Amino acid sequence: KNEVEQSPQNLTAQEGEFITINCSYSVGISALHWLQQHPGGGIVSLFMLSSGKKKHGRLIATINIQEKHSSLHITASHPRDSAVYICAVQGSNYQLIWGAGTKLIIKP
Amino acid sequence: EAGVTQSPTHLIKTRGQQVTLRCSPISGHTSVYWYQQALGLGLQFLLWYDEGEERNRGNFPPRFSGRQFPNYSSELNVNALELEDSALYLCASSSDGRQETQYFGPGTRLLVL
Repeated sequence: KNEVEQSPQNLTAQEGEFITINCSYSVGISALHWLQQHPGGGIVSLFMLSSGKKKHGRLIATINIQEKHSSLHITASHPRDSAVYICAVQGSNYQLIWGAGTKLIIKP
Repeated sequence: EAGVTQSPTHLIKTRGQQVTLRCSPISGHTSVYWYQQALGLGLQFLLWYDEGEERNRGNFPPRFSGRQFPNYSSELNVNALELEDSALYLCASSSDGRQETQYFGPGTRLLVL
């Protein structure tokens, strides 16, 4: 079993739909990161969470430490949101453990 | 403020050769991380440098090595290249190694023929 599991692996939705990507982990963490990887490899850090909820524009990230679960939500999705979204957890040794990523395609 | 920069952007090498990849962190950041993303795979942690010292390394053979300079820039060296070393190599920086967000560079695409 992987230490960080993401679901779904692939997601195709229509423009405007509400998107949820889930991340579950099995190790103790000091923080959880959500990252966005565009085609070609460019990676943008979206959020770093250690508790609660963060919002940035149309993106919302939540984390439940007790349940070892985090979600990334996209409201009013747009084709430019199409990317791979990666959940990564940061352990006590500061190393990031990556999920396999969720490939999101938003159709116009 | 300039982001993390990496050079070169693309590189083609042959088996057995050696390669050096370079990374400049965001100004003020002291930690540099190196990751490998092979085709179809997630990011694999390679190395973490902080304040000029190697703090941690991932499960990679010794032919993967690196260093961090006094200005906090970093190099990743790969000796005796193998075909499976073909990948995107990403560098990230953070202001320290603890709970700071990592900011990623654009990556270097390495193709080993």
